[in-house]
Amino acid sequence: DSGVTQTPKHLITATGQRVTLRCSPRSGDLSVYWYQQSLDQGLQFLIQYYNGEERAKGNILERFSAQQFPDLHSELNLSSLELGDSALYFCASSERGDWNSPLHFGNGTRLTVT
Amino acid sequence: DQQVKQNSPSLSVQEGRISILNCDYTNSMFDYFLWYKKYPAEGPTFLISISSIKDKNEDGRFTVFLNKSAKHLSLHIVPSQPGDSAVYFCAASAGYGGATNKLIFGTGTLLAVQP
Repeated sequence: DSGVTQTPKHLITATGQRVTLRCSPRSGDLSVYWYQQSLDQGLQFLIQYYNGEERAKGNILERFSAQQFPDLHSELNLSSLELGDSALYFCASSERGDWNSPLHFGNGTRLTVT
Repeated sequence: DQQVKQNSPSLSVQEGRISILNCDYTNSMFDYFLWYKKYPAEGPTFLISISSIKDKNEDGRFTVFLNKSAKHLSLHIVPSQPGDSAVYFCAASAGYGGATNKLIFGTGTLLAVQP
């Protein structure tokens, strides 16, 4: 158990809809990361937050947004969903968020867009 | 553009033998490399890392080798055990010593260790 909690585990929704994925980091970790894993793809970095502030941005679509709240949990909002957004979404956390701060991953949220 | 490539989708090895997983990268700015292991229905877990100032790092049965001139790294598992059966992801970052840990992952290699 990594200590990172992601909810829900599974989500099925229709195209055009909006969903929110939630992540609670490990106790003591200040940084949260979001990754997307599509079929036959590696984990694609979306965005990183550190103590409530955005620290690094990857290939995150404009239809997607994220935030980290004062209690350090994070939410990833996906809107105007398309079939191609179906994927596993992983949240990870680390203590400091810097280069040598190991990432601890949650078990992911599987999103299916029909 | 896949900056981190794992060209072998799968590998099958006998228990007790050596498993060698390979990874190639294209971005010469990468200076920190990691291997993660992932079991089904779980998130990836950190296995071992190496910085670009080294060419080898060892942790028990796991050794990572880095060849900077070839932009290639490999993970050796000796001896392989059935419990090592998992998907192995190679990851890299250009943030050595920096304030961020933006990792770029490969597509993974499924290792099956046969008893």
